[in-house]
Amino acid sequence: KQEVTQIPAALSVPEGENLVLNCSFTDSAIYNLQWFRQDPGKGLTSLLLIQSSQREQTSGRLNASLDKSSGRSTLYIAASQPGDSATYLCAASDYKLSFGAGTTVTVRA
Amino acid sequence: DGGITQSPKYLFRKEGQNVTLSCEQNLNHDAMYWYRQDPGQGLRLIYYSQIVNDFQKGDIAEGYSVSREKKESFPLTVTSAQKNPTAFYLCASSIGGQGQNIQYFGAGTRLSVL
Repeated sequence: KQEVTQIPAALSVPEGENLVLNCSFTDSAIYNLQWFRQDPGKGLTSLLLIQSSQREQTSGRLNASLDKSSGRSTLYIAASQPGDSATYLCAASDYKLSFGAGTTVTVRA
Repeated sequence: DGGITQSPKYLFRKEGQNVTLSCEQNLNHDAMYWYRQDPGQGLRLIYYSQIVNDFQKGDIAEGYSVSREKKESFPLTVTSAQKNPTAFYLCASSIGGQGQNIQYFGAGTRLSVL
């Protein structure tokens, strides 16, 4: 059974600092690794999808890397802004999505 | 606007009552899913459907039921057999194939027990 872990559970940084969010998974036989953002009381918004054959994916200030052999993915957010405050979830995809519990980020102005 | 609509936003269930959560999508997606989210936990899959008139149990299907009579609609019924229904319920859809495509989510329904 796929187990997905996100550490730390919460993170607080001053505005402008770069964010590094970690995701680990136990089974490397995945189709892809997905990162989502969730605002309080809302649904999930897809941020990035990295295919199993890719090493990284970029969108604007967001960059996600994938190392299947070590079972790790990292989401980098450059030059953080207060609007980046949210919970970030990763999900490892084999025949279904297995989600981590998320990292709640607070960016202080 | 294309998207997924969940209703109601808040729902209260009395003891022994069945309640139904609505999920409608106009994205023309074949696959639809129901997840449950509890505080401090990741999303857990309740049921999923890859095509109309077909659905499969996820990891925590006990106490829940679904139907998929139309492509656009995938309602979830929380039955009286579900003893701990208080949670945030999320519906999602994707073009096809459960793990290979991006899933798009609705805004969620928060269910509480009176």
